[in-house]
Amino acid sequence: SAVISQKPSRDICQRGTSLTIQCQVDSQVTMMFWYRQQPGQSLTLIATANQGSEATYESGFVIDKFPISRPNLTFSTLTVSNMSPEDSSIYLCSVAHRGRGYNEQFFGPGTRLTVL
Amino acid sequence: KQEVTQIPAALSVPEGENLVLNCSFTDSAIYNLQWFRQDPGKGLTSLLLIQSSQREQTSGRLNASLDKSSGRSTLYIAASQPGDSATYLCAVHHGSGNTGKLIFGQGTTLQVKP
Repeated sequence: SAVISQKPSRDICQRGTSLTIQCQVDSQVTMMFWYRQQPGQSLTLIATANQGSEATYESGFVIDKFPISRPNLTFSTLTVSNMSPEDSSIYLCSVAHRGRGYNEQFFGPGTRLTVL
Repeated sequence: KQEVTQIPAALSVPEGENLVLNCSFTDSAIYNLQWFRQDPGKGLTSLLLIQSSQREQTSGRLNASLDKSSGRSTLYIAASQPGDSATYLCAVHHGSGNTGKLIFGQGTTLQVKP
Protein backbone atom coordinates (compact mmCIF):
# COMPACT_ATOMS: atom_id res chain seq x y z
CA SER A 1 0.00 0.00 0.00
CA ALA A 2 0.98 3.64 -0.35
CA VAL A 3 1.85 5.72 2.71
CA ILE A 4 0.59 9.28 2.48
CA SER A 5 1.39 12.22 4.73
CA GLN A 6 -0.24 15.64 4.81
CA LYS A 7 0.81 18.96 6.27
CA PRO A 8 -0.54 20.67 8.23
CA SER A 9 -2.72 18.22 10.13
CA ARG A 10 -4.97 21.04 11.24
CA ASP A 11 -5.16 24.81 11.10
CA ILE A 12 -7.36 27.67 12.17
CA CYS A 13 -7.42 30.52 9.68
CA GLN A 14 -8.99 33.93 9.33
CA ARG A 15 -11.56 34.77 6.70
CA GLY A 16 -10.01 36.08 3.47
CA THR A 17 -6.65 34.35 3.87
CA SER A 18 -5.29 31.34 1.98
CA LEU A 19 -3.86 28.02 3.14
CA THR A 20 -1.67 25.60 1.21
CA ILE A 21 -1.92 21.91 2.10
CA GLN A 22 0.89 19.55 1.18
CA CYS A 23 0.57 15.87 0.30
CA GLN A 24 3.59 13.55 0.12
CA VAL A 25 3.50 9.90 -1.02
CA ASP A 26 6.20 7.34 -0.32
CA SER A 27 6.19 6.00 -3.88
CA GLN A 28 5.64 7.33 -7.38
CA VAL A 29 1.98 7.35 -8.37
CA THR A 30 0.27 8.45 -11.53
CA MET A 31 -3.03 9.54 -10.07
CA MET A 32 -3.44 11.85 -7.08
CA PHE A 33 -6.71 13.35 -5.93
CA TRP A 34 -8.00 15.95 -3.51
CA TYR A 35 -11.25 15.42 -1.61
CA ARG A 36 -13.24 17.57 0.78
CA GLN A 37 -15.29 16.33 3.70
CA GLN A 38 -17.59 18.98 5.12
CA PRO A 39 -18.79 18.62 8.72
CA GLY A 40 -21.12 15.65 9.07
CA GLN A 41 -20.90 14.88 5.36
CA SER A 42 -19.23 12.30 3.21
CA LEU A 43 -16.33 12.92 0.83
CA THR A 44 -16.56 14.89 -2.39
CA LEU A 45 -13.87 14.92 -5.06
CA ILE A 46 -12.44 18.39 -5.70
CA ALA A 47 -9.98 17.61 -8.48
CA THR A 48 -7.49 15.21 -9.99
CA ALA A 49 -3.91 16.43 -9.73
CA ASN A 50 -2.12 15.63 -12.99
CA GLN A 51 1.66 15.57 -13.13
CA GLY A 52 2.96 17.97 -15.73
CA SER A 53 -0.39 19.48 -16.63
CA GLU A 54 -3.25 21.41 -15.08
CA ALA A 55 -5.53 19.76 -12.58
CA THR A 56 -8.94 18.48 -13.64
CA TYR A 57 -11.71 19.96 -11.51
CA GLU A 58 -15.09 18.50 -10.67
CA SER A 59 -18.31 20.40 -11.14
CA GLY A 60 -18.65 23.09 -8.51
CA PHE A 61 -14.91 23.53 -7.94
CA VAL A 62 -12.73 26.08 -9.77
CA ILE A 63 -9.02 26.65 -10.13
CA ASP A 64 -9.13 30.20 -8.76
CA LYS A 65 -10.52 28.93 -5.46
CA PHE A 66 -8.57 25.66 -5.23
CA PRO A 67 -5.31 25.96 -7.18
CA ILE A 68 -3.37 22.68 -7.28
CA SER A 69 0.24 21.92 -8.05
CA ARG A 70 1.76 18.54 -8.96
CA PRO A 71 5.47 19.09 -9.56
CA ASN A 72 6.42 15.39 -9.50
CA LEU A 73 5.02 11.88 -9.02
CA THR A 74 5.21 11.91 -5.21
CA PHE A 75 4.00 15.38 -4.21
CA SER A 76 1.04 17.70 -4.61
CA THR A 77 -0.35 20.83 -2.98
CA LEU A 78 -3.87 22.18 -2.67
CA THR A 79 -4.45 25.84 -1.84
CA VAL A 80 -7.73 27.00 -0.39
CA SER A 81 -7.93 30.65 -1.43
CA ASN A 82 -9.80 33.62 0.00
CA MET A 83 -11.29 31.44 2.69
CA SER A 84 -14.73 31.80 4.24
CA PRO A 85 -16.30 29.83 7.12
CA GLU A 86 -18.00 27.61 4.52
CA ASP A 87 -14.54 26.25 3.63
CA SER A 88 -14.21 24.70 7.09
CA SER A 89 -13.75 21.02 6.24
CA ILE A 90 -11.35 18.13 6.29
CA TYR A 91 -9.26 18.09 3.10
CA LEU A 92 -7.88 14.71 2.11
CA CYS A 93 -5.32 13.69 -0.44
CA SER A 94 -5.62 10.27 -2.03
CA VAL A 95 -3.70 8.18 -4.54
CA ALA A 96 -4.55 5.25 -6.77
CA HIS A 97 -1.95 2.56 -6.24
CA ARG A 98 -1.55 -1.12 -6.94
CA GLY A 99 -2.67 -2.59 -3.65
CA ARG A 100 -4.72 -5.73 -3.14
CA GLY A 101 -6.29 -4.92 -6.48
CA TYR A 102 -5.30 -2.66 -9.29
CA ASN A 103 -5.93 0.95 -8.46
CA GLU A 104 -6.96 0.60 -4.87
CA GLN A 105 -7.25 4.09 -3.45
CA PHE A 106 -5.41 5.14 -0.33
CA PHE A 107 -5.99 8.27 1.69
CA GLY A 108 -3.85 10.57 3.73
CA PRO A 109 -4.72 11.48 7.33
CA GLY A 110 -6.44 14.68 6.26
CA THR A 111 -6.07 18.36 7.10
CA ARG A 112 -8.73 19.74 9.39
CA LEU A 113 -9.37 23.38 8.47
CA THR A 114 -11.40 25.80 10.55
CA VAL A 115 -12.09 29.26 9.12
CA LEU A 116 -13.19 31.96 11.53
CA LYS B 1 -25.78 10.42 -12.18
CA GLN B 2 -24.28 7.83 -9.86
CA GLU B 3 -25.59 7.95 -6.30
CA VAL B 4 -24.46 5.80 -3.39
CA THR B 5 -26.66 5.13 -0.37
CA GLN B 6 -25.74 3.40 2.86
CA ILE B 7 -28.20 1.88 5.29
CA PRO B 8 -28.43 2.12 8.24
CA ALA B 9 -26.94 5.54 9.02
CA ALA B 10 -26.07 4.38 12.52
CA LEU B 11 -25.93 1.06 14.30
CA SER B 12 -25.29 0.08 17.90
CA VAL B 13 -24.66 -3.56 18.81
CA PRO B 14 -23.29 -5.52 21.75
CA GLU B 15 -19.85 -7.01 21.44
CA GLY B 16 -19.71 -10.38 19.71
CA GLU B 17 -22.59 -9.85 17.30
CA ASN B 18 -22.28 -10.48 13.59
CA LEU B 19 -23.54 -7.56 11.56
CA VAL B 20 -24.20 -6.44 8.00
CA LEU B 21 -23.78 -2.98 6.54
CA ASN B 22 -25.54 -2.20 3.28
CA CYS B 23 -24.51 -0.09 0.31
CA SER B 24 -26.51 0.52 -2.86
CA PHE B 25 -25.64 2.39 -6.03
CA THR B 26 -27.85 3.57 -8.86
CA ASP B 27 -25.64 2.90 -11.91
CA SER B 28 -24.19 -0.58 -12.35
CA ALA B 29 -21.39 0.70 -14.63
CA ILE B 30 -18.72 0.63 -11.94
CA TYR B 31 -15.00 -0.11 -12.20
CA ASN B 32 -14.69 -1.30 -8.61
CA LEU B 33 -16.06 -0.75 -5.13
CA GLN B 34 -14.15 -0.04 -1.94
CA TRP B 35 -15.08 -0.18 1.71
CA PHE B 36 -13.30 2.21 4.06
CA ARG B 37 -13.19 2.79 7.77
CA GLN B 38 -12.95 6.29 9.25
CA ASP B 39 -12.24 6.95 12.90
CA PRO B 40 -13.40 10.30 14.34
CA GLY B 41 -11.27 13.17 13.07
CA LYS B 42 -9.05 10.83 11.07
CA GLY B 43 -8.44 9.89 7.45
CA LEU B 44 -9.75 6.80 5.69
CA THR B 45 -8.39 3.26 5.98
CA SER B 46 -9.06 0.96 3.04
CA LEU B 47 -10.67 -2.27 4.19
CA LEU B 48 -11.62 -4.15 1.05
CA LEU B 49 -11.59 -3.59 -2.69
CA ILE B 50 -13.89 -5.56 -4.99
CA GLN B 51 -13.30 -5.40 -8.73
CA SER B 52 -16.41 -5.21 -10.91
CA SER B 53 -15.84 -8.81 -12.08
CA GLN B 54 -15.65 -10.19 -8.54
CA ARG B 55 -18.44 -11.30 -6.22
CA GLU B 56 -16.74 -11.01 -2.86
CA GLN B 57 -13.56 -10.30 -0.94
CA THR B 58 -12.51 -11.35 2.54
CA SER B 59 -10.03 -9.94 5.02
CA GLY B 60 -9.96 -11.41 8.49
CA ARG B 61 -13.37 -10.92 10.11
CA LEU B 62 -14.58 -8.80 7.20
CA ASN B 63 -16.35 -10.04 4.10
CA ALA B 64 -17.65 -7.78 1.36
CA SER B 65 -19.95 -8.91 -1.42
CA LEU B 66 -20.88 -7.23 -4.68
CA ASP B 67 -23.96 -7.75 -6.84
CA LYS B 68 -23.38 -5.33 -9.67
CA SER B 69 -26.58 -6.09 -11.55
CA SER B 70 -28.74 -5.15 -8.56
CA GLY B 71 -26.48 -2.29 -7.49
CA ARG B 72 -25.71 -3.63 -4.04
CA SER B 73 -22.79 -4.40 -1.79
CA THR B 74 -22.72 -5.63 1.77
CA LEU B 75 -20.00 -5.55 4.39
CA TYR B 76 -20.24 -8.39 6.88
CA ILE B 77 -18.39 -8.05 10.17
CA ALA B 78 -18.09 -11.22 12.22
CA ALA B 79 -17.78 -11.32 15.99
CA SER B 80 -17.79 -7.55 16.39
CA GLN B 81 -15.42 -5.92 18.90
CA PRO B 82 -15.40 -2.47 20.56
CA GLY B 83 -12.39 -1.61 18.39
CA ASP B 84 -14.62 -1.95 15.34
CA SER B 85 -16.47 1.21 16.39
CA ALA B 86 -16.03 3.71 13.55
CA THR B 87 -17.78 5.06 10.48
CA TYR B 88 -17.79 2.70 7.52
CA LEU B 89 -17.87 4.24 4.06
CA CYS B 90 -18.72 2.58 0.78
CA ALA B 91 -17.35 4.14 -2.40
CA VAL B 92 -17.81 3.20 -6.04
CA HIS B 93 -15.30 3.90 -8.74
CA HIS B 94 -17.70 4.96 -11.43
CA GLY B 95 -17.27 4.26 -15.09
CA SER B 96 -15.73 1.59 -17.28
CA GLY B 97 -12.24 2.99 -17.20
CA ASN B 98 -9.82 4.00 -14.54
CA THR B 99 -10.75 7.60 -13.80
CA GLY B 100 -9.88 7.30 -10.14
CA LYS B 101 -13.04 9.15 -9.18
CA LEU B 102 -14.73 7.66 -6.14
CA ILE B 103 -18.32 8.43 -5.27
CA PHE B 104 -19.00 7.95 -1.59
CA GLY B 105 -22.03 7.02 0.44
CA GLN B 106 -22.89 8.91 3.60
CA GLY B 107 -21.51 6.17 5.80
CA THR B 108 -22.74 3.93 8.60
CA THR B 109 -21.57 4.87 12.08
CA LEU B 110 -21.07 1.73 14.12
CA GLN B 111 -20.84 1.52 17.87
CA VAL B 112 -19.93 -1.83 19.45
CA LYS B 113 -20.62 -1.86 23.17
CA PRO B 114 -18.46 -3.96 25.51
